[in-house]
Amino acid sequence: SQTIHQWPATLVQPVGSPLSLECTVEGTSNPNLYWYRQAAGRGLQLLFYSVGIGQISSEVPQNLSASRPQDRQFILSSKKLLLSDSGFYLCAWVKGLAEAFFGQGTRLTVV
Amino acid sequence: GNSVTQMEGPVTLSEEAFLTINCTYTATGYPSLFWYVQYPGEGLQLLLKATKADDKGSNKGFEATYRKETTSFHLEKGSVQVSDSAVYFCALKRLGGSEKLVFGKGTKLTVNP
Repeated sequence: SQTIHQWPATLVQPVGSPLSLECTVEGTSNPNLYWYRQAAGRGLQLLFYSVGIGQISSEVPQNLSASRPQDRQFILSSKKLLLSDSGFYLCAWVKGLAEAFFGQGTRLTVV
Repeated sequence: GNSVTQMEGPVTLSEEAFLTINCTYTATGYPSLFWYVQYPGEGLQLLLKATKADDKGSNKGFEATYRKETTSFHLEKGSVQVSDSAVYFCALKRLGGSEKLVFGKGTKLTVNP
């Protein structure tokens, strides 16, 4: 069966520090992968979208970047975190018209 | 481009009340439509889906019908429970490898005993 792993679950980082969030998928190949951010009390904001290795589409210009070094691995990064980067980050994968599978999310607090 | 508009709420109901959360979409072609639910502190999970016009998705007492003529996919439940308190997201996706999954902004539902 397909599963998606996202870690860490919670993270507290100081302003200006780097960030690396990792998402891996099992049980499927060549999935479309997504990074979303959900700020407190707000909806889902699509950050990055990938249809394959090395293929990243950025939806919103910002302080973050994404990479897809392997078919089933999707990484969200930042060189220097800002206070406004705080939020709940969600990784998801979709194949074709099937449902999306979401990770459990990472609660990032930048202090 | 493709987009989803849903009533933003928040929605507060008493237990056993009737629920409707409106969702309309804009898309070319024939997208698949979804409702996802997010319980506090968790990721999203699929609630129900419909892949073509006039399809009705249903799960856990929730229903939504794909209405192409009104480009809508409203979520309904006849009698809500406290455990239904969550954020509900309407979403669409068109067929095609490069097509994105597009979400509405979410509707927070609180059900009081």
